[in-house]
Amino acid sequence: ETGVTQTPRHLVMGMTNKKSLKCEQHLGHNAMYWYKQSAKKPLELMFVYNFKEQTENNSVPSRFSPECPNSSHLFLHLHTLQPEDSALYLCASSQVGLVPFDEQFFGPGTRLTVL
Amino acid sequence: DAKTTQPPSMDCAEGRAANLPCNHSTISGNEYVYWYRQIHSQGPQYIIHGLKNNETNEMASLIITEDRKSSTLILPHATLRDTAVYYCIVRESNFGNEKLTFGTGTRLTIIP
Repeated sequence: ETGVTQTPRHLVMGMTNKKSLKCEQHLGHNAMYWYKQSAKKPLELMFVYNFKEQTENNSVPSRFSPECPNSSHLFLHLHTLQPEDSALYLCASSQVGLVPFDEQFFGPGTRLTVL
Repeated sequence: DAKTTQPPSMDCAEGRAANLPCNHSTISGNEYVYWYRQIHSQGPQYIIHGLKNNETNEMASLIITEDRKSSTLILPHATLRDTAVYYCIVRESNFGNEKLTFGTGTRLTIIP
């Protein structure tokens, strides 16, 4: 596997379910990100992990819970979601801190539908 | 808030150069200009970035005006696979600031 992978690619869940999205990066990067892309809206940054420490939480509801066990893996745990949480969830990674610019590599996304 | 202004849509004939403008009149001295694109239902893809000088890579050229208040992304020979939403983003250096703030971008359609 190369680049950034995400599983599952598609997920349908009920409002009372608990599920997790998984992201893995094979690029040796030290930062990972979760973004949300709803229909007709720009990408929204949700969480940032830098060296496994969460450095950004953009006022995301607690029904979304991120986990970063190591620098290569990132999870987004979902529970009691609402239909308006249906969106494309994108993971990205980059190498930060060595030079003042970085390129974020994005995964293909998980298309989530909440019924 | 996104600090850039882009036209919502543009068309370009296949084989011609596609020139995508971006206004960033409030850019500060330490902010870079980044371009990403998103092909339908895929994750965004980095294209190019610059600070003051014009830049070129295998995908595109970036022309930044001398006052840095605007820039143009040039795809020299557009193909159908270049149909995508193109995002212009300004962002400080990533030392301690990892945010990319996406706006609504320009939807570029390459016409056969």
